[in-house]
Amino acid sequence: DAGVTQSPTHLIKTRGQHVTLRCSPISGHKSVSWYQQVLGQGPQFIFQYYEKEERGRGNFPDRFSARQFPNYSSELNVNALLLGDSALYLCASQLGGQGGEQYFGPGTRLTVT
Amino acid sequence: DAKTTQPTSMDCAEGRAANLPCNHSTISGNEYVYWYRQIHSQGPQYIIHGLKNNETNEMASLIITEDRKSSTLILPHATLRDTAVYYCIVRVQTSYDKVIFGPGTSLSVIP
Repeated sequence: DAGVTQSPTHLIKTRGQHVTLRCSPISGHKSVSWYQQVLGQGPQFIFQYYEKEERGRGNFPDRFSARQFPNYSSELNVNALLLGDSALYLCASQLGGQGGEQYFGPGTRLTVT
Repeated sequence: DAKTTQPTSMDCAEGRAANLPCNHSTISGNEYVYWYRQIHSQGPQYIIHGLKNNETNEMASLIITEDRKSSTLILPHATLRDTAVYYCIVRVQTSYDKVIFGPGTSLSVIP
């Protein structure tokens, strides 16, 4: 079975641009969460989506947004990129919306120059 | 802020048991203890979780103290492939929660 997939693997953007990152959860999983991981730190929670609705939001500015599609895949959008947005962006899927094991994808490495 | 504290780093000899401690002194009665690990440049990998009883699976054992204020993840026979950052997290099973990772413990398995 395919695990969580994310695209692209790597991305280089310029300050002020916007970016869209994509995630496909494990088949049958209905929840997707997004995390930002800056070098040397643990992942920081950004969003959780379950059944296409936002169920949780971390302490990130409104430049960060996300959505979940009917097939449960998800997109993370970041507008007006800053140098500090450079990080590994991780997507995690879980079967239901509340609790349970999360399964992480390999991440998208975003570099903002 | 993370609800757990872990040592920054640990070493373990290959073939020996690796015992990774975690303190969660403010854990609530309905919060589970989860362990994940992250091998360099990969996404975190789920290891094990538990509420109050000790748990074991094919990867590791989880020992939770009776007062639930601390736990220990045990890798019974550490290999070089177990070198990773290990994260201890507390989570509620019945609500939409922010999963908060701390900085974790960097485990180095030494030949």
